[in-house]
Amino acid sequence: DTGVSQDPRHKITKRGQNVTFRCDPISEHNRLYWYRQTLGQGPEFLTYFQNEAQLEKSRLLSDRFSAERPKGSFSTLEIQRTEQGDSAMYLCASSFPGLAGGGSYNEQFFGPGTRLTVL
Amino acid sequence: GESVGLHLPTLSVQEGDNSIINCAYSNSASDYFIWYKQESGKGPQFIIDIRSNMDKRQGQRVTVLLNKTVKHLSLQIAATQPGDSAVYFCAEPPRGSARQLTFGSGTQLTVLP
Repeated sequence: DTGVSQDPRHKITKRGQNVTFRCDPISEHNRLYWYRQTLGQGPEFLTYFQNEAQLEKSRLLSDRFSAERPKGSFSTLEIQRTEQGDSAMYLCASSFPGLAGGGSYNEQFFGPGTRLTVL
Repeated sequence: GESVGLHLPTLSVQEGDNSIINCAYSNSASDYFIWYKQESGKGPQFIIDIRSNMDKRQGQRVTVLLNKTVKHLSLQIAATQPGDSAVYFCAEPPRGSARQLTFGSGTQLTVLP
């Protein structure tokens, strides 16, 4: 399978603990995105990388959240001192300039997500 | 605030019938829309897109209609199949950017046998 992969698929943790998620994008994609999705809602943008540079961060990304993409390939998302409100599905997506659909959109391919439950 | 949204959170259709999923948007300058399908336990998957210079675009069993006058778009699925059961989102990139997507709240489509 050459799609976007995420690990782990599920994570249960106690409030106050730190967690780290990993995303492996499609290999030739230089853009990588993190989204958060709560039950019954659409995904909400968290942050975006082009190669190793983190170019944009949402206001949703509090100081407890940090994302890295050290070599421009895989990315990690760490949440420190988790809170119950952090419980959500964390989705990763990747894209490559030039792989456009019918218009100017560079299609984002999503991974299966990591479901986080904070007890 | 949210610039795209969906009319109904849930929709049930009989297998073989056509499905229509609606989406409204608020920004009259929006010029590009994408429909995503998300099956249970999976990430969203691109279905079809449409630019504002088009009223209609067809794919395999899916058609998207865009009405710019009332700022409304719809996704039509012909001969709905059990595998079409999923949550459907309309989404748009921010103006001037092809980076992050802004998703609506989604419609859960259930196909009844």
